This record gives sequence, structure tokens and C-alpha cells, in this order.
Amino acid sequence: AQSVSQHNHHVILSEAASLELGCNYSYGGTVNLFWYVQYPGQHLQLLLKYFSGDPLVKGIKGFEAEFIKSKFSFNLRKPSVQWSDTAEYFCAVIFHNYGQNFVFGPGTRLSVLP
Amino acid sequence: DAGITQSPRHKVTETGTPVTLRCHQTENHRYMYWYRQDPGHGLRLIHYSYGVKDTDKGEVSDGYSVSRSKTEDFLLTLESATSSQTSVYFCAISEGPNTEAFFGQGTRLTVV
Repeated sequence: AQSVSQHNHHVILSEAASLELGCNYSYGGTVNLFWYVQYPGQHLQLLLKYFSGDPLVKGIKGFEAEFIKSKFSFNLRKPSVQWSDTAEYFCAVIFHNYGQNFVFGPGTRLSVLP
Repeated sequence: DAGITQSPRHKVTETGTPVTLRCHQTENHRYMYWYRQDPGHGLRLIHYSYGVKDTDKGEVSDGYSVSRSKTEDFLLTLESATSSQTSVYFCAISEGPNTEAFFGQGTRLTVV
């Protein structure tokens, strides 16, 4: 089965620090890539997505992600985090030719200290 | 937010009883999904539907069944609830097989 891994279980940062959350996936073929955010007590919301084209993708709330095909990675970045970014972040992948359903990573909890 | 409504939002039930969760969408999306969310596991797919009466199993389908008799409704049934099915259940919808999914607010189910 295809899998998605996220490097960190829990990341703690101070406001204005830079953020990078890692995401790797197991398959070398065509994929669609997503980052979702889940604020405390809420549902998942789409931050950004990559289907094709420019591997640097910009999303909402100042987030961006870079697709590096050779590394099977799709890392999420933000230059300066805010307390309101405290949430859980999920990387998700659709593996073409493997059921074409989302496979989610286990999530990374981000805590931003004021 | 996408027009997705899950009901109930919270439920406590006893072991061995059947439970049905409902997902209703107003977006006319073809694909609908049921996920469960557990700490350390992220979201795991239970079942999904790619059209009316067209459903298939996901990664963790044992003990669950689904039905989709109308485009807008996707029901998840726990045939005989067990404590291991205590979880938060999310419904999601998407237009196509390779497009982004939009999630409902979730149903917190506790089996005692």
C-alpha cells in the first residue's frame, strides 16, 4: 500500500519564526499533492494543492509548498508564523493508478507561542 | 465552506448497537467519502462512493457499511458498534477522483 509520512509529530515555535513541515510519500509515479489544516475543534480545510506545473505552490494564509519529485517530497513552509497558525497539519496524496483516493499522513501538530 | 452537513454531530452509544451517521451535500459532487480520525493515525478511509449506488471499501472498512441512494446523501452504518470504533468521523466530497476534497464538520462517536 502507498504511504505518506510526516517528519515531525509536534513542532513548537515562537511567533515570527519560520516554519517548514516535511512530507514524503512512497510512490514514484504521478501524484496529486495537498496540505490541509485542522484548527482545534474544527474540520479539515485545504491550504494548498499541487497537480502539475510550477513545483512551488502558494496557498492561503501565506503558506507555500515545494514539490521535489526526485525526493518524493512536498514540504510546507511559512516565513513567519502567527499564534493563529496553531493547528494540526496534514499532508495528503492521491496516487494515480492506485485507487485514486486520498492517503493522509499522520499529521503534525504545530504550537505557536505568543 | 462547501455545503456538507453531518448528523449527528455527537453521539454516545452502547456496545453492540447499530449506529448510522449521515452526510448530506448540496454541491452535487460525484464522490463522497467517510474517514475516521484517530490520534497518531491521521485520517483513514472507511468507504467511498463514486456515484449513486456505487461504493467501494477503503483501508479500514471492517465493521462498517455504507449506502448512497441519492447523490446528496451518503450514510455510514456501524453494524454492531464496538469500543474500537470510538472516533471522530469525517465525511468528504470531491468533484472527481483526482481533485481536492472538502470536509464536513465531523461526528464525534463514543461507544461505551
